[in-house]
Amino acid sequence: QKEVEQNSGPLSVPEGAIASLNCTYSDRGSQSFFWYRQYSGKSPELIMSIYSNGDKEDGRFTAQLNKASQYVSLLIRDSQPSDSATYLCAVTVSGGYNKLIFGAGTRLAVHP
Amino acid sequence: DVKVTQSSRYLVKRTGEKVFLECVQDMDHENMFWYRQDPGLGLRLIYFSYDVKMKEKGDIPEGYSVSREKKERFSLILESASTNQTSMYLCASLPRGGTDTQYFGPGTRLTVL
Repeated sequence: QKEVEQNSGPLSVPEGAIASLNCTYSDRGSQSFFWYRQYSGKSPELIMSIYSNGDKEDGRFTAQLNKASQYVSLLIRDSQPSDSATYLCAVTVSGGYNKLIFGAGTRLAVHP
Repeated sequence: DVKVTQSSRYLVKRTGEKVFLECVQDMDHENMFWYRQDPGLGLRLIYFSYDVKMKEKGDIPEGYSVSREKKERFSLILESASTNQTSMYLCASLPRGGTDTQYFGPGTRLTVL
């Protein structure tokens, strides 16, 4: 059974701090990795994608990928209360059709 | 922008009813997906379709069927709704060969009484 594991949280950080979200996956054939943000009652919204080892930065967000360790992380710098949401890690399943496996999500709470 | 729409945001049905959930995308995508999302379990794939009239089972297909008669429309059918099918249902689409990720609809929160 291919799996994606995330700490469910809640992860509580003060406004302005760095939030660090982690994800591990079991399928060594996974090639693409995504972070989605999901506000309560809404559908997931893509915020970062990463395909190769290393860091990828986009504004306040940095995704980090280590395929050898089967580990993906998301850093949110200068966290804002509006970042409070559930963050879902998703990885592609090897074998085609761009199927994704999702983690259960980490709930982030940014307090003023 | 890709637009994925779902027929209802909220739906309440009774046990044993036949339920249709509709999903339409306007970007000519070949691949479409149906997920359900439950607290603590994340998104789980029910069925997906990679072309008109083509379908593949996902991880939890039991109790569900699908229909893809037109490229833009992917329907999820609950033949006889049960209370354990109360959930948030999310549709997504993706172009063939795309390395990009899936685009989600707004979701349908289904309650089966």
